[in-house]
Amino acid sequence: SAVISQKPSRDICQRGTSLTIQCQVDSQVTMMFWYRQQPGQSLTLIATANQGSEATYESGFVIDKFPISRPNLTFSTLTVSNMSPEDSSIYLCSVVGGQGASDTQYFGPGTRLTVL
Amino acid sequence: EDQVTQSPEALRLQEGESSSLNCSYTVSGLRGLFWYRQDPGKGPEFLFTLYSAGEEKEKERLKATLTKKESFLHITAPKPEDSATYLCAVHTGTASKLTFGTGTRLQVTL
Repeated sequence: SAVISQKPSRDICQRGTSLTIQCQVDSQVTMMFWYRQQPGQSLTLIATANQGSEATYESGFVIDKFPISRPNLTFSTLTVSNMSPEDSSIYLCSVVGGQGASDTQYFGPGTRLTVL
Repeated sequence: EDQVTQSPEALRLQEGESSSLNCSYTVSGLRGLFWYRQDPGKGPEFLFTLYSAGEEKEKERLKATLTKKESFLHITAPKPEDSATYLCAVHTGTASKLTFGTGTRLQVTL
């Protein structure tokens, strides 16, 4: 399976600021995704990060709030903009492809975000 | 809309006490059902993929089975290190999008 790292692992931010989360994979992958896991909840897909084009967002998530970049096949960033306490969550990236099975998603360790 | 329901929400077992976790789903066109394990503060760890009714997969003390409406994760003689949240997810449609259930929190005590 792919080895996935995320930075930062955790952060505490002030209301109204923005945070950019990085996701790095050790091999080229076809698809990358960003998920949110709110406290005590399961995972909700935010968007699919497409290499060379705009991300595809799920219902309830917009580009202005969660801009995503994917400059190449091993790296992506998610920015959480103009944060409020409701954005406090774990943010996870996942990948399909690389050295894993063609349809299996493998997850990074997550970024735990607390907004005060 | 695809729906995934896991039960129970929480389960407490004594070491060696076997049990099963349930994942029921309502989807249009199942392409795969996935089981993950998630430890506190970590990302989900892939366990199994099941594709068709009747399929079974095993890994150590875990065995996953699939019917047309639900999947079971059987845990045989669990150990404290099996304590975690177990997540079920379904893959439908042409994209690789996963829809997750809310998980079962398993605690195994001595």
